[in-house]
Amino acid sequence: GAGVSQSPSNKVTEKGKDVELRCDPISGHTALYWYRQSLGQGLEFLIYFQGNSAPDKSGLPSDRFSAERTGGSVSTLTIQRTQQEDSAVYLCASSQRGSNSPLHFGNGTRLTVT
Amino acid sequence: AQSVSQHNHHVILSEAASLELGCNYSYGGTVNLFWYVQYPGQHLQLLLKYFSGDPLVKGIKGFEAEFIKSKFSFNLRKPSVQWSDTAEYFCAVTMFSGGYNKLIFGAGTRLAVHP
Repeated sequence: GAGVSQSPSNKVTEKGKDVELRCDPISGHTALYWYRQSLGQGLEFLIYFQGNSAPDKSGLPSDRFSAERTGGSVSTLTIQRTQQEDSAVYLCASSQRGSNSPLHFGNGTRLTVT
Repeated sequence: AQSVSQHNHHVILSEAASLELGCNYSYGGTVNLFWYVQYPGQHLQLLLKYFSGDPLVKGIKGFEAEFIKSKFSFNLRKPSVQWSDTAEYFCAVTMFSGGYNKLIFGAGTRLAVHP
């Protein structure tokens, strides 16, 4: 079956521009996570959506970062006024019944800010 | 603050050597524990998980991990590594926070196995 799909797979943008990253989770998965993986930094939690509840935004590094999830399915991560330190791989993952179930990861979006 | 620590950032082993990767977490409540693996050029995959019961968990490819509650640890082990085990390994812990179970990852351990 289809896995978690992320688009674009690669994005190069100029410093100061806004970018939108998209995640299509596995159908029926109620939980959706965004993580950031920087070189040598491991996986950094950004935001977590669970069903119709208010998202946990505690990991967003600044107010330039925002995310939404429409209809409990597709999610968009938006980074405004990008900075070079935003360069990383942005990973989306989804799971059933919240985080007690294993996460299924997408292939990520590699963002490069020049 | 809730956190997950992996003390070894880089590990280099020869084939057939034994492996143990450390993972500790800081959280006093109930946890679920996971190890994920990321092979070069691939996305993250679940290696094994612990929810309850026997604290010694066996996963795929001969890996196992032991949950020691008193030490807040969930170390990953393999008796004899292979070149194909070269990958990055992430420990992850779910912690109940703000009304939800939140999954937090450690920084990862990069394992290189030489033939």
